[in-house]
Amino acid sequence: GAVVSQHPSRVICKSGTSVKIECRSLDFQATTMFWYRQFPKKSLMLMATSNEGSKATYEQGVEKDKFLINHASLTLSTLTVTSAHPEDSSFYICSARGWDRNTEAFFGQGTRLTVV
Amino acid sequence: AQSVSQHNHHVILSEAASLELGCNYSYGGTVNLFWYVQYPGQHLQLLLKYFSGDPLVKGIKGFEAEFIKSKFSFNLRKPSVQWSDTAEYFCAVNDINQGGKLIFGQGTELSVKP
Repeated sequence: GAVVSQHPSRVICKSGTSVKIECRSLDFQATTMFWYRQFPKKSLMLMATSNEGSKATYEQGVEKDKFLINHASLTLSTLTVTSAHPEDSSFYICSARGWDRNTEAFFGQGTRLTVV
Repeated sequence: AQSVSQHNHHVILSEAASLELGCNYSYGGTVNLFWYVQYPGQHLQLLLKYFSGDPLVKGIKGFEAEFIKSKFSFNLRKPSVQWSDTAEYFCAVNDINQGGKLIFGQGTELSVKP
C-alpha cells in the first residue's frame, strides 16, 4: 500500500507553547487528509478533513483556532496545536487519500503529544 | 447522527477459538466499509475492505467480513484465532456522500490466551 509518514512520533512540550505535526504522503498525491485524535483505550475521533488548497473542515466540537491545519501541497499537511495544555495530550493520527473518495485512506504512524 | 457501533468492547478468547466481532453503521447512502487492526504500540493496519461486489470479503491473516446491507452490518470473523491476533480492532465506514469521511467505531480489544 501507499506510505504516509508522520513526524514527529513523540513530542513533549511545555504548557502554553505550540507544536507542529507533519503528515506526508511519500508515493502518491494526497488530495484529502484527515486528522484524528485517539485517547487511551478509545477510538479514533475525526478532528478535521483537509483538501489540498482549501480550508479544513472541522468536526463539531473541535476548536479550529486551537488546532490549525494547513494542507498547502499534495504531499504535506500539518497540524499545529496552539497554546497547548495538558488536556491536549493525546495520540494524533493523520491519514491521506487520493482524489477518489471511493478508495481507501492510508494512515501515518501517529504522534504521541505530551504537554507538561 | 451518523455513527459506527461495535458491540464488543473487550473479547477474550483461547487460541483456536472462532472469532466474530460485530459492527453496525447508521448511514443510509453509499458506503465503503473497513476493518483495521492496531497491534500494541503500532499504527493502524488495514485488514480488509468492502467497496462493492461480493459481500463476503477476505482480508489478510485469515480474516473475513460479511456485508449485510439489510442489517447495516459488517461483522469480522476468523475461524481460528492465534495469540498473535491480540490487538485492537476498529470498524470504519466511509460515507461517499459526506465528503468521504472515514468514521470509526469504538474499537474492540481482543485478547487471545495461549
